[in-house]
Amino acid sequence: KAGVTQTPRYLIKTRGQQVTLSCSPISGHRSVSWYQQTPGQGLQFLFEYFSETQRNKGNFPGRFSGRQFSNSRSEMNVSTLELGDSALYLCASSPVPLAAGGETQYFGPGTRLLVL
Amino acid sequence: DQQVKQNSPSLSVQEGRISILNCDYTNSMFDYFLWYKKYPAEGPTFLISISSIKDKNEDGRFTVFLNKSAKHLSLHIVPSQPGDSAVYFCAASPQGGSEKLVFGKGTKLTVNP
Repeated sequence: KAGVTQTPRYLIKTRGQQVTLSCSPISGHRSVSWYQQTPGQGLQFLFEYFSETQRNKGNFPGRFSGRQFSNSRSEMNVSTLELGDSALYLCASSPVPLAAGGETQYFGPGTRLLVL
Repeated sequence: DQQVKQNSPSLSVQEGRISILNCDYTNSMFDYFLWYKKYPAEGPTFLISISSIKDKNEDGRFTVFLNKSAKHLSLHIVPSQPGDSAVYFCAASPQGGSEKLVFGKGTKLTVNP
């Protein structure tokens, strides 16, 4: 079974631009979460989707948004990029949410975003 | 305010010995805890988890211990192998169910041959 895939793997943007990152979960997984990893803050939760609905959102500004499609694929968008948005963005999927008895989330390799 | 803390940024052990990675949490609403391992340029990989109704969970060389009264958990790796060298993240999930995992900042484990 293929793992979680994220595209693109690397991205360079300039301040003020916007970016869209894509995540394809493991086949059959309906829950998708996004995390931001930076050296200073570690891994921080962005948001979580299940059945095309956002269930949870972390403490990030409204410039960060996301959505999930009917095939469970998910995208996250960051508008008006700032230098501090440079990070590794990780997507994780699970068959069902942890709340519904899921054991864990399976992470993709991440998209490394550099904002210049 | 960090709700999940891994106070040791790095740990170095000899091959064959025990590695003990520690994690402290402050939120008493956390009731499910996970450990992940991360190699460079890869996403975190799930290792082992423990529910708050247990105080120990074992899977092969990996054992996680939970001390609820101390709000402390630890991951024991016995025996340690060079391939275990990676960054280990502790994560906690709040009661009531949420995908909003809260991660520690990680401990870099180096196992020397």
